[in-house]
Amino acid sequence: GQNIDQPTEMTATEGAIVQINCTYQTSGFNGLFWYQQHAGEAPTFLSYNVLDGLEEKGRFSSFLSRSKGYSYLLLKELQMKDSASYLCAVRSVNYGGATNKLIFGTGTLLAVQP
Amino acid sequence: EADIYQTPRYLVIGTGKKITLECSQTMGHDKMYWYQQDPGMELHLIHYSYGVNSTEKGDLSSESTVSRIRTEHFPLTLESARPSHTSQYLCASSESTGTRNTGELFFGEGSRLTVL
Repeated sequence: GQNIDQPTEMTATEGAIVQINCTYQTSGFNGLFWYQQHAGEAPTFLSYNVLDGLEEKGRFSSFLSRSKGYSYLLLKELQMKDSASYLCAVRSVNYGGATNKLIFGTGTLLAVQP
Repeated sequence: EADIYQTPRYLVIGTGKKITLECSQTMGHDKMYWYQQDPGMELHLIHYSYGVNSTEKGDLSSESTVSRIRTEHFPLTLESARPSHTSQYLCASSESTGTRNTGELFFGEGSRLTVL
């Protein structure tokens, strides 16, 4: 079956660095996504990994290890506006026979404190 | 900037009413999806479409129905709303995956439904 695990909540300080982990179990892995969702708003795309390694995009970086079923999202120079829920989502080619359906984790609620 | 719109944003109705949640996108995406999300919980796929006249049920059983008569439009209908249908409904669309795109989902703002 499909399973995604990430911490429920994290707290960090403004200006610091925080790492949000995600572990997954799936067959037919075809990419991992990170989304940001502010309270009451729609999720917005942050990053995508399909090969092992680190993808960097400004203050945000995402890492993937397919052999370990593990990813993390790294946020640097934290700002108050980064307080949000961060969703890990996995795409599987075997999921129901479709290639672009995502399975989402429950999300990690990050609180950035002054 | 994504161009996908949902209406209404908020809806409070009584039990037994028929409702339709509208979703439209102007990006020409073939693929469209409806997700259901309760507070603090993960998004669950309830319907998806890979093109006109194509609709499939997702991983979460839902009493709602969808239609895809036009590429840009993917409405969701509840024939008889019940309090158990109270939730947030998120519409999304995506391009087909290829060498130049990841197939990421673009989400609408969501429709928050409350059934009394």
